[in-house]
Amino acid sequence: KQEVTQIPAALSVPEGENLVLNCSFTDSAIYNLQWFRQDPGKGLTSLLLIQSSQREQTSGRLNASLDKSSGRSTLYIAASQPGDSATYLCAVKNSGNTPLVFGKGTRLSVIA
Amino acid sequence: NAGVTQTPKFQVLKTGQSMTLQCAQDMNHNSMYWYRQDPGMGLRLIYYSASEGTTDKGEVPNGYNVSRLNKREFSLRLESAAPSQTSVYFCASRTEYQETQYFGPGTRLLVL
Repeated sequence: KQEVTQIPAALSVPEGENLVLNCSFTDSAIYNLQWFRQDPGKGLTSLLLIQSSQREQTSGRLNASLDKSSGRSTLYIAASQPGDSATYLCAVKNSGNTPLVFGKGTRLSVIA
Repeated sequence: NAGVTQTPKFQVLKTGQSMTLQCAQDMNHNSMYWYRQDPGMGLRLIYYSASEGTTDKGEVPNGYNVSRLNKREFSLRLESAAPSQTSVYFCASRTEYQETQYFGPGTRLLVL
C-alpha cells in the first residue's frame, strides 16, 4: 500500500528565504506526483504535476523535482513571501486508474 | 466559470440524522471525487466516479453512499451520521485528458 510522508509537518521562515519542502513515498512505481496548496479554510489548488518520466517541473518561483528510484520529491520555493503561507500537500498516483494518495502536508509560515 | 461548488458550507447534525452533501462542476469534467480531511490524517478518498453512471469505492467508503446524478453533479449521502464522520468534506473533478484535480471549497460537518 502506497504511503506518502511529508517532513517537516510545519515550517516557519523569514521573508526572502529560499526553502525546500520534502515528500517521500514507499512505492516507487508511481504514475505521477502532484503538489497542492491549501489556504486555511479553503480547498486545494494544484501547483505542479510531474509525470513519472519527468525529473522536474517549474512554475514561477516554484520548482518540483522527482527522484523515483529513491521515492522522493522536493518542492523548492524561491524568495519566499508572506503570501506563500499555506499548507502544501504532496500526492502520488500509482497508475492511471488508481486514486491519489496524499501526504499530511507541511504547514508553511513566511514571516514578514 | 464557478468551477467546483459545494453545498452546504457548514452543517451540524445529531447522531443518527441523515443528510446529503451536494457537489457540482461546470467544467464538463468526466471524473468526480469525494474526500474527507481530518487533522493528522490527511485527505482520504471516500468514493469516486470515473464517468457519468459509474461509481467506485475509495479508501474509506463505510457509512456513505454516492450518486452521480448527471455529468455535472455528484452527491454524498450520510444515511445515519456518527460522530466519527465529523470532518471537512471536499469534492474534486478532473477531465479524462489531464491529471490535475480541481477542488471545491469544502463542507465542514459536525456530528454531535
